[in-house]
Amino acid sequence: GEDVEQSLFLSVREGDSSVINCTYTDSSSTYLYWYKQEPGAGLQLLTYIFSNMDMKQDQRLTVLLNKKDKHLSLRIADTQTGDSAIYFCAEHMEYGNKLVFGAGTILRVKS
Amino acid sequence: DGGITQSPKYLFRKEGQNVTLSCEQNLNHDAMYWYRQDPGQGLRLIYYSQIVNDFQKGDIAEGYSVSREKKESFPLTVTSAQKNPTAFYLCASSIKGGNTGELFFGEGSRLTVL
Repeated sequence: GEDVEQSLFLSVREGDSSVINCTYTDSSSTYLYWYKQEPGAGLQLLTYIFSNMDMKQDQRLTVLLNKKDKHLSLRIADTQTGDSAIYFCAEHMEYGNKLVFGAGTILRVKS
Repeated sequence: DGGITQSPKYLFRKEGQNVTLSCEQNLNHDAMYWYRQDPGQGLRLIYYSQIVNDFQKGDIAEGYSVSREKKESFPLTVTSAQKNPTAFYLCASSIKGGNTGELFFGEGSRLTVL
């Protein structure tokens, strides 16, 4: 089945690192994604990782993929108040060529 | 500027009325999608279209209808058959067959049924 799970809420202090976790079910997914949604807006692609990679780093963002456990994480270094948003994990389903999203993790950054 | 435009941003409707949400893109993307967002449930796919004059049901298509007469436009009609239509609706587009699967989203339309 198609299922992407995330914890619903994370609170961190400004300057700390944030780690948002996600588990997915489709072992054939070729790409996994992290999207960010600011209040009242649409989603924006933050980063993605190809399934044959273990890690991808992009400035303050680090994505780790454990394909054996079907576990994906997003680490935000030096978290800022502007990082407060909902973060969605998504997997690409080959069948139907569509994305399946998790429920989203609300990140709250305290100053 | 290229992008996706959804309208209206806010919409109120009475029970039993149909309502149509507009989605227009000037990115020259082949594929377009409609998602519904409810608190704590993430995004659920309603309908998607990979090419003009063709579309497929997503996971929660009941009570909705779409059309894809033009590449740029993918309107969604929420019919009176949709039992719980109050939600935030997001339209997205992508390059057909794009291997990154990057979706470009509109700003959303919030529908409230009174």
